[in-house]
Amino acid sequence: DTEVTQTPKHLVMGMTNKKSLKCEQHMGHRAMYWYKQKAKKPPELMFVYSYEKLSINESVPSRFSPECPNSSLLNLHLHALQPEDSALYLCASSLPGATNEKLFFGSGTQLSVL
Amino acid sequence: AQSVAQPEDQVNVAEGNPLTVKCTYSVSGNPYLFWYVQYPNRGLQFLLKYITGDNLVKGSYGFEAEFNKSQTSFHLKKPSALVSDSALYFCAVRRGGKLIFGQGTELSVKP
Repeated sequence: DTEVTQTPKHLVMGMTNKKSLKCEQHMGHRAMYWYKQKAKKPPELMFVYSYEKLSINESVPSRFSPECPNSSLLNLHLHALQPEDSALYLCASSLPGATNEKLFFGSGTQLSVL
Repeated sequence: AQSVAQPEDQVNVAEGNPLTVKCTYSVSGNPYLFWYVQYPNRGLQFLLKYITGDNLVKGSYGFEAEFNKSQTSFHLKKPSALVSDSALYFCAVRRGGKLIFGQGTELSVKP
């Protein structure tokens, strides 16, 4: 299994809602990532987890809260988002600690904030 | 700072012709360079990587890339383009826990 699965594929939420994005992989990868991507732009790194511990937070606003409950799962909790947070949110995984390893990406969650 | 640049926002190629998508890098030390492709409404897919060794790297779907240290370039190439190659292509450099992307090049292959 070389897949990273993200749910839901699409999400529409109001600015007062609380929602969560989910990501799952069964490749035994111990590094997992959240990226934000605007249309036709490069993905922007948000968070990195290594061995279930948060290792990188790219100064992301606190309305985004990541969680890594176990080595296969990664969540992104959303609260009080702004319309400018509308984007494609991509999850990725890789072997940890190796800068020459490729990332496996999910298909993303297309988020619209109204 | 580690970075990559893709000088062309868009590349147009006729089907069957060779294609090149350009990337230059600015990296201290040994660069770990990658190419990823993104089809519409999808995540990124790994195409190939350069770590060390042979300057010509072969990857998925018939793509290859040439690492040129003197020109600090890592251009993506394919001898014969397919319409299905139309997508957004990202060059990237990996340093530490981060993958740093170029701005992307939209490849359009016309029949």
